[in-house]
Amino acid sequence: RKEVEQDPGPFNVPEGATVAFNCTYSNSASQSFFWYRQDCRKEPKLLMSVYSSGNEDGRFTAQLNRASQYISLLIRDSKLSDSATYLCVVWDSGAGSYQLTFGKGTKLSVIP
Amino acid sequence: SQTIHQWPATLVQPVGSPLSLECTVEGTSNPNLYWYRQAAGRGLQLLFYSVGIGQISSEVPQNLSASRPQDRQFILSSKKLLLSDSGFYLCAWRLDITEAFFGQGTRLTVV
Repeated sequence: RKEVEQDPGPFNVPEGATVAFNCTYSNSASQSFFWYRQDCRKEPKLLMSVYSSGNEDGRFTAQLNRASQYISLLIRDSKLSDSATYLCVVWDSGAGSYQLTFGKGTKLSVIP
Repeated sequence: SQTIHQWPATLVQPVGSPLSLECTVEGTSNPNLYWYRQAAGRGLQLLFYSVGIGQISSEVPQNLSASRPQDRQFILSSKKLLLSDSGFYLCAWRLDITEAFFGQGTRLTVV
């Protein structure tokens, strides 16, 4: 069974703090990786894709470690508006494999 | 640009009643289509996915079914709802190895 594991949190951090989430995946053949953000009672929305070389988008940095099969998301200078649940998503290639596997999410609360 | 429409946004149905949720995608062709369910405080559970018209793969045995009568239309149905069918239902589409895009979801409460 292909699994994606995340620390459910909640992570309660003050404004301006740096926070990091990790996610592990079980299938070493996984090909594509994403971080999604889900606000309460809303649909998940793509935050960023995760590339092998790592990538940065403003205050957000994503890293991929294939050897250890984990993905990380770093948020710098946290804002109140960053409060949400962050979902790790993995896509596995292979014949007939069209599934995206979602972690259960890590809840972040940024406190004034 | 591509858009995905899902309706209704909220639904309250009695136990034993039928269900039909519809999802349509605009601005793309031959997308992979997905139905997910998210129970309160839980992760996303894949229910069905489709890679083409009339092609449905079921991931979880249950009293739900899905159909894809047109390329960009995906329907989730049930003949008789159970209390355990309550949840947040999300339709999504994607192309090949790209990210998935979600509709706004339907919050179903079975009473």
